[in-house]
Amino acid sequence: DGGITQSPKYLFRKEGQNVTLSCEQNLNHDAMYWYRQDPGQGLRLIYYSQIVNDFQKGDIAEGYSVSREKKESFPLTVTSAQKNPTAFYLCATQRGGRETQYFGPGTRLLVL
Amino acid sequence: GNSVTQMEGPVTLSEEASLTINCTYTATGYPSLFWYVQYPGEGLQLLLKATKADDKGSNKGFEATYRKETTSFHLEKGSVQVSDSAVYFCALSGVWENTGTASKLTFGTGTRLQVTL
Repeated sequence: DGGITQSPKYLFRKEGQNVTLSCEQNLNHDAMYWYRQDPGQGLRLIYYSQIVNDFQKGDIAEGYSVSREKKESFPLTVTSAQKNPTAFYLCATQRGGRETQYFGPGTRLLVL
Repeated sequence: GNSVTQMEGPVTLSEEASLTINCTYTATGYPSLFWYVQYPGEGLQLLLKATKADDKGSNKGFEATYRKETTSFHLEKGSVQVSDSAVYFCALSGVWENTGTASKLTFGTGTRLQVTL
């Protein structure tokens, strides 16, 4: 079954804790993206990656980190430096250039 | 920089009514334009797209025309159904900082559509 998977569906973070959100794809797409969605707002870009072992900051990268060790995987870590992490996090992939971006089902992060 | 403005919601319609959700954009160059739909608790699904001026994207009875002269990409449907209730996002894509394989999507804030029987 082809597509983009994100896990977990819900994630709870305690104060001062780092948490990692998973994004995996089997579409063989080169580019991968992480977006944050807050209620009543559009999506904002956190990080993106064009190729393995390379990634770039988006508009709101502070308090987040990523890695791209495999083409299929682009995990996002929400660090303790992110003071307002409660949001819906969406991963997207793109074959290249001006191609369409396709989105995963999302992970909702809540703070305890 | 690029920006997208879409009409505020919620939009509440009766089933079989016609729908228009306005979207206008500001961009340099020749962006591609998209409508995405988001159902409660889910990710975004591509609804339709247009890549150049005067292109019309269409899918599932929805359509939108890329109007460069008015910088608009309004979403229309002739007869909505209860199952169309969702949040609709207009977005544009432009090549970002000569990245080659990556492009930046700029989103509007979304318009919630509620369709009642």
